[in-house]
Amino acid sequence: KAGVTQTPRYLIKTRGQQVTLSCSPISGHRSVSWYQQTPGQGLQFLFEYFSETQRNKGNFPGRFSGRQFSNSRSEMNVSTLELGDSALYLCASSLRDNNEKLFFGSGTQLSVL
Amino acid sequence: AQKVTQAQTEISVVEKEDVTLDCVYETRDTTYYLFWYKQPPSGELVFLIRRNSFDEQNEISGRYSWNFQKSTSSFNFTITASQVVDSAVYFCALNIGGATNKLIFGTGTLLAVQP
Repeated sequence: KAGVTQTPRYLIKTRGQQVTLSCSPISGHRSVSWYQQTPGQGLQFLFEYFSETQRNKGNFPGRFSGRQFSNSRSEMNVSTLELGDSALYLCASSLRDNNEKLFFGSGTQLSVL
Repeated sequence: AQKVTQAQTEISVVEKEDVTLDCVYETRDTTYYLFWYKQPPSGELVFLIRRNSFDEQNEISGRYSWNFQKSTSSFNFTITASQVVDSAVYFCALNIGGATNKLIFGTGTLLAVQP
């Protein structure tokens, strides 16, 4: 069974641009969540989706948004990029939406110049 | 408020030593779940264990063992006879229960096992 796939693996953008990151969960998993990892703030929860509905959102500005499609694939978008958005963005999937162990992808390393 | 504290930023040991990674959590919820994840240099977090708040039994899995004590709000992780392949960042995390998989992570402990 394929694991969680995140594309692209690396991304370089400049301030003010926008970016879309993609996540394909493990087949059959309906829950997808996103985390931002930085050296200063550590791992922070961004949002969580289950069956195309956003269940939870972390404490991030409205420039961060996401969605989940009917095939459970998910995308997150960051508009008007800032230098501080440089981070490893991790996607995780699980079968159900309650207290499950998460399966993580290798992440997308975003650098904002 | 919920919080997870991993006071040890970095630990360095020599192969075959035992090492304990500390984790202290804060929550007012009576139902919650605690997790440990490992992050090797490849970047993806790998699940190690999940424990719910009603089960204080210690768990052993091969060289790994976990000690959960509600009285001290701690969920410590011990690696026995460490190996170089154990080198990674280890994260403790808290889930407050209910219909969510949201995790609150600690800041992680970087474990370096020297040959």
